[in-house]
Amino acid sequence: GAVVSQHPSRVICKSGTSVKIECRSLDFQATTMFWYRQFPKQSLMLMATSNEGSKATYEQGVEKDKFLINHASLTLSTLTVTSAHPEDSSFYICSARDLGVLNSPLHFGNGTRLTVT
Amino acid sequence: GNSVTQMEGPVTLSEEAFLTINCTYTATGYPSLFWYVQYPGEGLQLLLKATKADDKGSNKGFEATYRKETTSFHLEKGSVQVSDSAVYFCALTPNNAGNMLTFGGGTRLMVKP
Repeated sequence: GAVVSQHPSRVICKSGTSVKIECRSLDFQATTMFWYRQFPKQSLMLMATSNEGSKATYEQGVEKDKFLINHASLTLSTLTVTSAHPEDSSFYICSARDLGVLNSPLHFGNGTRLTVT
Repeated sequence: GNSVTQMEGPVTLSEEAFLTINCTYTATGYPSLFWYVQYPGEGLQLLLKATKADDKGSNKGFEATYRKETTSFHLEKGSVQVSDSAVYFCALTPNNAGNMLTFGGGTRLMVKP
């Protein structure tokens, strides 16, 4: 089945540094990928929609300069958390639909747990 | 706007017990409804879905019926196993191919042997 791979699965960084998270569709292509953030004991919140070859679309309240998204190919989207602070510590999950499957379900990555110290 | 409300967890059950996780929703039109499961250390996986009223989604012994009259999509399983321990999310999209999933808060299920 369709697999979405996220890397890294865990990352610890110091406050003020930047962290890049990769989201790859391993056996399918996706023109659109989605980035979510999950706070402890809370639901997933859609942060942004990543569009291949164009700018990402951010949800209200999400700082685009803080969470840089690049979708350089049909199989890779990256989320860079810039100048990270402890409040950015969270679980980040990406998802994608198979471009070649009508009404494809969303396929989710395993998530990346970011801890900012 | 759209919203999904789930019962708060954790839900702790003994093996072979009956499981119900309540989910109600608010949406305009005719949304599609989903249950996702997140096992420890893993990403979300689609468990089952229903796209219209009275549809029943089922998978791995889990079932949920799309009840438009009560705007509910409760998840049930007749006999849970330890391996079912996970976090379960109810979600909806405004249409079947919609990308704008709205999630409930998640319900953690813990099954004890």
